[in-house]
Amino acid sequence: DAGVTQSPTHLIKTRGQQVTLRCSPKSGHDTVSWYQQALGQGPQFIFQYYEEEERQRGNFPDRFSGHQFPNYSSELNVNALLLGDSALYLCASSFLIDTYNSPLHFGNGTRLTVT
Amino acid sequence: SQKIEQNSEALNIQEGKTATLTCNYTNYSPAYLQWYRQDPGRGPVFLLLIRENEKEKRKERLKVTFDTTLKQSLFHITASQPADSATYLCALTVPNDMRFGAGTRLTVKP
Repeated sequence: DAGVTQSPTHLIKTRGQQVTLRCSPKSGHDTVSWYQQALGQGPQFIFQYYEEEERQRGNFPDRFSGHQFPNYSSELNVNALLLGDSALYLCASSFLIDTYNSPLHFGNGTRLTVT
Repeated sequence: SQKIEQNSEALNIQEGKTATLTCNYTNYSPAYLQWYRQDPGRGPVFLLLIRENEKEKRKERLKVTFDTTLKQSLFHITASQPADSATYLCALTVPNDMRFGAGTRLTVKP
């Protein structure tokens, strides 16, 4: 039973470029949440997808967008990259009905470096 | 403003001792509180969940308490081992949201 998988593991981009990160949820999970974790900080909620729709969003600009596919996998897109976007991007999956009263299952993240 | 504060950035203890980590919050009324372990370069891994109407939860060498009056959770690791060295994150669940603290980096020395 595969857990949450993310790709790529590492990425280096230049300011102003665009990036797409990918996530496959744990088998059976229908909800995907994305988090940004800066060095030395806790994960910050970006947004959550369920049934291919953005269900909730944290305090992130519109440069951050996402998508969920019929097979529940998800993408995070970041446009016009800034140096401050350098972080570990984490994907977490869950069942929608249980999202906040049961564990989140995290992938190992994508380390994005913007130069 | 809403805050989640974990007691210190780093905690160093000797093997065999009990590690106690603190999570304090302000201006939240969480329904649930969770603790996660995170190793360098890895995603957080769930450890324990405690509900607002529960005072204490245990799992093997781990114990978590939740005091909604003090707005505080304590996380204990008894008989600590070097393998327990990691960053520990607390997370509050409020309606439609989950917020994480910055974490405490625990080092257990042999």
